[in-house]
Amino acid sequence: QKEVEQNSGPLSVPEGAIASLNCTYSDRVSQSFFWYRQYSGKSPELIMSIYSNGDKEDGRFTAQLNKASQYVSLLIRDSQPSDSATYLCAVPLTGGGNKLTFGTGTQLKVEL
Amino acid sequence: ETGVTQSPTHLIKTRGQQVTLRCSSQSGHNTVSWYQQALGQGPQFIFQYYREEENGRGNFPPRFSGLQFPNYSSELNVNALELDDSALYLCASSLRSGGLDEQFFGPGTRLTVL
Repeated sequence: QKEVEQNSGPLSVPEGAIASLNCTYSDRVSQSFFWYRQYSGKSPELIMSIYSNGDKEDGRFTAQLNKASQYVSLLIRDSQPSDSATYLCAVPLTGGGNKLTFGTGTQLKVEL
Repeated sequence: ETGVTQSPTHLIKTRGQQVTLRCSSQSGHNTVSWYQQALGQGPQFIFQYYREEENGRGNFPPRFSGLQFPNYSSELNVNALELDDSALYLCASSLRSGGLDEQFFGPGTRLTVL
């Protein structure tokens, strides 16, 4: 089983809709979780971090964490074409502090 | 902009050659991590440097080596290049090593091995 799993997509949503991106992880002791956005040909950009169960909101982005189910998600409200990118979920390597293991990413396409 | 810089931007090498990639961390950050991102994949952890010492290594062979300098900038060296080494190489800096601190990526170096 991979440490971090994401659906590769593409996930297509119409402009203005809510995009829901999901990630599961295998290490039960993981304490921190990160969502990165990566535009084609660019490097990953940190958009959300979450450490506690529940929801964390930042503008149009909401991260949701459920440690019991080993599940973390990212909701993007009022999706814009500029949100079209690959979204990477990352968690620390087992025993690794802030050394990260990434999922393969979910490609999001926001259509006009 | 994260304040993390990398050079060069692009590089083309042939199989068997050696390459050195460079990274300058964000001001105040003493930890640098290197990742390899193959096309269509997520970044894979290569190794981390903290205060000039290697502080953890991923599943990469010894021909991948690195350095960190007193100003916390870092180098990644790859010897005996193979075709599969073609990838985007990312450097990320963070405030410290053992905590849960966020990492910020540089723009990356695109390496092509022919």
